[in-house]
Amino acid sequence: DTAVSQTPKYLVTQMGNDKSIKCEQNLGHDTMYWYKQDSKKFLKIMFSYNNKELIINETVPNRFSPKSPDKAHLNLHINSLELGDSAVYFCASSYNTGELFFGEGSRLTVL
Amino acid sequence: AQSVTQPDIHITVSEGASLELRCNYSYGATPYLFWYVQSPGQGLQLLLKYFSGDTLVQGIKGFEAEFKRSQSSFNLRKPSVHWSDAAEYFCAVAEGDSSYKLIFGSGTRLLVRP
Repeated sequence: DTAVSQTPKYLVTQMGNDKSIKCEQNLGHDTMYWYKQDSKKFLKIMFSYNNKELIINETVPNRFSPKSPDKAHLNLHINSLELGDSAVYFCASSYNTGELFFGEGSRLTVL
Repeated sequence: AQSVTQPDIHITVSEGASLELRCNYSYGATPYLFWYVQSPGQGLQLLLKYFSGDTLVQGIKGFEAEFKRSQSSFNLRKPSVHWSDAAEYFCAVAEGDSSYKLIFGSGTRLLVRP
């Protein structure tokens, strides 16, 4: 069983479109995250939710809107996609100890 | 603000040779420190972590790391590298009193020569 699963794994879309990435964890963790990895492999936190409550919002444009319907799910919706949004987006979860369990990533390509 | 520096972008070692990947952090208090590994096309996997206590920590896959406060370093070591260790390695520090937010270094790509 996959611990942290995210879909889709690949996403190719046009500028201006709206897209969503879904994430689910079956580890019973309280905290979930979205990280963005750019083309140079640099990883930056975007959002973190603890028990469905937003606890970290790292100056991400308003076009990005996370939603956590329950503590096992954290989705990411992106409006009006731009070229610079092309990246790999990783979902992760943890028991609040910094030991993150990552999904396999969702590679977003904006044309 | 906290930061993490991994000075080596690429490192190439021969299979069976020893390995040391460097990591320096900037943080005022005792940090929570981590090493993660990312294989191609995969997410990151935790190798080891340091919170407190013994400054030499053991991790999975035969890796270890040593916390040196005087040098603000947390270098990763392995005595004998295997071809399957070829991957991207990331050092990270938890920011502030909360371990919710990890600040990652820029990564070091390890290449292993047969």
